Amino acid sequence: AQKVTQAQTEISVVEKEDVTLDCVYETRDTTYYLFWYKQPPSGELVFLIRRNSFDEQNEISGRYSWNFQKSTSSFNFTITASQVVDSAVYFCALSGGTTDSWGKLQFGAGTQVVVTP
Amino acid sequence: NAGVMQNPRHLVRRRGQEARLRCSPMKGHSHVYWYRQLPEEGLKFMVYLQKENIIDESGMPKERFSAEFPKEGPSILRIQQVVRGDSAAYFCASSPRVRVGNTIYFGEGSWLTVV
Repeated sequence: AQKVTQAQTEISVVEKEDVTLDCVYETRDTTYYLFWYKQPPSGELVFLIRRNSFDEQNEISGRYSWNFQKSTSSFNFTITASQVVDSAVYFCALSGGTTDSWGKLQFGAGTQVVVTP
Repeated sequence: NAGVMQNPRHLVRRRGQEARLRCSPMKGHSHVYWYRQLPEEGLKFMVYLQKENIIDESGMPKERFSAEFPKEGPSILRIQQVVRGDSAAYFCASSPRVRVGNTIYFGEGSWLTVV
C-alpha cells in the first residue's frame, strides 16, 4: 500500500524566511512519481512539480527547490525568501508508475504555510 | 490547471436532495479523475473515467454516488440523497491519455454544502 506522510501540520514564518516542507512516502512500486501541489485560500489545486523515481536530480525553479532522496524515501520542498502570497496548504502526493495506477494519487495530509509580513 | 472547468463552484443542497457536479476536462483530454476533500480526511481518489467507460471506481462510496463521462459533454459526479457527511470539496482532474508521466491538472473544485 502507498502512504504519504507530511508530519508538519502548520508552519508559520515571517516574510523572507525560508520554509522547508517535509514529505516521507512509502511504496512497494519500483517506478513511481512524486508531486507537490499548492492549495491557496481560494481553494484550487495548483500543480508545482512532478518527479519520477529514477530522477533524483534536485532542482531549483525560481524560489522553489526540491530535495528527492530515495534512500530515505523523502521528497522535501523548500520555498526560499517566502512571500505572503506563498501562504497556502501544500500537498505532497504519490502515484504508481503503471498505466493502471497513473492518476490515482495518494495525498499527504497537507502542511499549512502561513507567511506574515 | 485553469483548463479543467468545474461547475458549480459552490452548491448547497438540503438533506435528501441530489447533487450533480460537472467537470469539463482540458481540451484534448479524454481521462478524468474525481477526488474528494473531506475536512478531516484530506484528498482521496474516488473514480477514474475515460469517455464512456469507468476504469477504476475503487474510491467511490458503495451507495448514492455515481459518475459518468459520456461521449459528448462533461463528466458528471452524481450524489443521490445527500447527507451532511457529503459536505466536501470535490475536485476533478484530467489527463490527455494514460501515459505515465503526464501532468495531472486539477480544476478549481466544487464545494458541496449539505444543510
